[in-house]
Amino acid sequence: GAVVSQHPSRVICKSGTSVKIECRSLDFQATTMFWYRQFPKQSLMLMATSNEGSKATYEQGVEKDKFLINHASLTLSTLTVTSAHPEDSSFYICSTYAAYNEQFFGPGTRLTVL
Amino acid sequence: DAKTTQPPSMDCAEGRAANLPCNHSTISGNEYVYWYRQIHSQGPQYIIHGLKNNETNEMASLIITEDRKSSTLILPHATLRDTAVYYCIVSPTGTASKLTFGTGTRLQVTL
Repeated sequence: GAVVSQHPSRVICKSGTSVKIECRSLDFQATTMFWYRQFPKQSLMLMATSNEGSKATYEQGVEKDKFLINHASLTLSTLTVTSAHPEDSSFYICSTYAAYNEQFFGPGTRLTVL
Repeated sequence: DAKTTQPPSMDCAEGRAANLPCNHSTISGNEYVYWYRQIHSQGPQYIIHGLKNNETNEMASLIITEDRKSSTLILPHATLRDTAVYYCIVSPTGTASKLTFGTGTRLQVTL
């Protein structure tokens, strides 16, 4: 099936620094990508919808100035967590549709902010 | 809010069929029923989806009631590798359609 990759798989950073997470569609073009966040023992929560060549759409309660999303090409979307704090520690997952009805997810990035 | 209701957990013996129920009584006419699963510390994996007819693929079968208010995912011969959280989601089709994850069912397959 279609493959979505994420880099890095895990990252540890100091409080106040910024972290960039990449999401790539490896064998298809992705006009739209989705970013989710998952805290321990909780379900996935959609953060934003990333659209190639235009601004991302953020879900209610997600700070767009803190979680910067760039979707500059049809195969790459990036999520930058700016001025990260310990409460931003989470599992970040991206996804996209390869076929009309099937959404494929990346393996996730575990962020730990010290 | 999630539009589906699932039991929080289920157990199944290896080799037996696992039947995971889902209630979606407020499903709209243009919404499909999707099933995904998430193995610990991995991204979710697509399993199957359907509109109103029963569906089967190499992983599972999906049985949707005639009134579309509930469905059942069937793993015909569960293995230990099927231990995961299973999510039932209703959503319209389309490459911009967002998926809203509920709490899912934690399936534990045991020897």
